Amino acid sequence: DAGVIQSPRHEVTEMGQEVTLRCKPISGHNSLFWYRQTMMRGLELLIYFNNNVPIDDSGMPEDRFSAKMPNASFSTLKIQPSEPRDSAVYFCASSYFNGGQGYTFGSGTRLTVV
Amino acid sequence: QQQVKQSPQSLIVQKGGIPIINCAYENTAFDYFPWYQQFPGKGPALLIAIRPDVSEKKEGRFTISFNKSAKQFSLHIMDSQPGDSATYFCAAIPQGGSEKLVFGKGTKLTVNP
Repeated sequence: DAGVIQSPRHEVTEMGQEVTLRCKPISGHNSLFWYRQTMMRGLELLIYFNNNVPIDDSGMPEDRFSAKMPNASFSTLKIQPSEPRDSAVYFCASSYFNGGQGYTFGSGTRLTVV
Repeated sequence: QQQVKQSPQSLIVQKGGIPIINCAYENTAFDYFPWYQQFPGKGPALLIAIRPDVSEKKEGRFTISFNKSAKQFSLHIMDSQPGDSATYFCAAIPQGGSEKLVFGKGTKLTVNP
């Protein structure tokens, strides 16, 4: 298995622009998670899905952030409009619910908003 | 709010030393405690995990010690190597079937040759 695949690896955008981050989870995993990592706040859970349904989005910082999972093999995290304080590394992770095996993370998308 | 507190924030040891990273949780019952290892430019990767009915688990040079009554758990790395230099995160999953891992803030480990 190729693991969790995220794209792009790096994204540099101007403030106010729309940014879309993409994730392909591991085949057979039924839970998907979006995390944000910064030096100040560490790893923050933004939202997670189970069987393509959003279960908990309490970590989404504000309405500028939205996430979708149209099918079991694809998810997006969108920021519109982007702001400099959104600059961070965004990770997608997947797991098999109740498998107790923890998550498998992707390599992340480093977002820089200038 | 559910929390996992991790210390130290950074740690430097010489090759062959035994770095120890500590974590403590409070208020909420957890039932699965994984540790993740993250290298620069990579996502965190599962290293080793333990359930609260076990007091110690060892995999290769990595050992988790768990003290349920004190709500503390720690990672020991035996005979540490420069290749172990990474950031280590402890985590916990709350009881009740939630998949929400709660992460510590991480420990940056440097193993000098």
